[in-house]
Amino acid sequence: KAGVTQTPRYLIKTRGQQVTLSCSPISGHRSVSWYQQTPGQGLQFLFEYFSETQRNKGNFPGRFSGRQFSNSRSEMNVSTLELGDSALYLCASSAHGLAGGTDTQYFGPGTRLTVL
Amino acid sequence: GENVEQHPSTLSVQEGDSAVIKCTYSDSASNYFPWYKQELGKGPQLIIDIRSNVGEKKDQRIAVTLNKTAKHFSLHITETQPEDSAVYFCAVGGGSQGNLIFGKGTKLSVKP
Repeated sequence: KAGVTQTPRYLIKTRGQQVTLSCSPISGHRSVSWYQQTPGQGLQFLFEYFSETQRNKGNFPGRFSGRQFSNSRSEMNVSTLELGDSALYLCASSAHGLAGGTDTQYFGPGTRLTVL
Repeated sequence: GENVEQHPSTLSVQEGDSAVIKCTYSDSASNYFPWYKQELGKGPQLIIDIRSNVGEKKDQRIAVTLNKTAKHFSLHITETQPEDSAVYFCAVGGGSQGNLIFGKGTKLSVKP
């Protein structure tokens, strides 16, 4: 099976712009979670989608949003970019739909976002 | 909310030695404990996980032990090899926050 894929792999934007990142889960996986990884804060949970519904959300401002499509592919959007949004954005998929962070998650390679 | 502490932040060992990384957590409801390895330029890769109904799990040179009473779990890597050099993350799931919470990571360097 192909792993989790994320596009694009690298992105450079300027402050105030918006960005959309895409994630394709492993075939058959219905849950997609998004994380932000920075050297200072580590891996922080953004949100989780299951069957096109946001099931859980982390402590991030409303500028961060996401959605999931009927084929389980997911996108996340960041509006009005700030310098502090520079990070590696990781997507993870899981197979069984177990809630509460108890399902085995498989990560993609991430999208490296740089905000200038 | 859940607090996950991981130690040490850096670890340097000689090839062939063992490496141990420890994590503690605060939410007694947590019941899922995975470990991930992240190499430069890649996403985290699951290497082993354990659920709270078992105390130890092994997979070749890698083992994880869990002490639910003390709320800590550890990753053990035996016979380390240079390709084990990476950043290792512990994580905790099943707690009240409803998602995986990650430790800050341990940078492991294995010297040939």
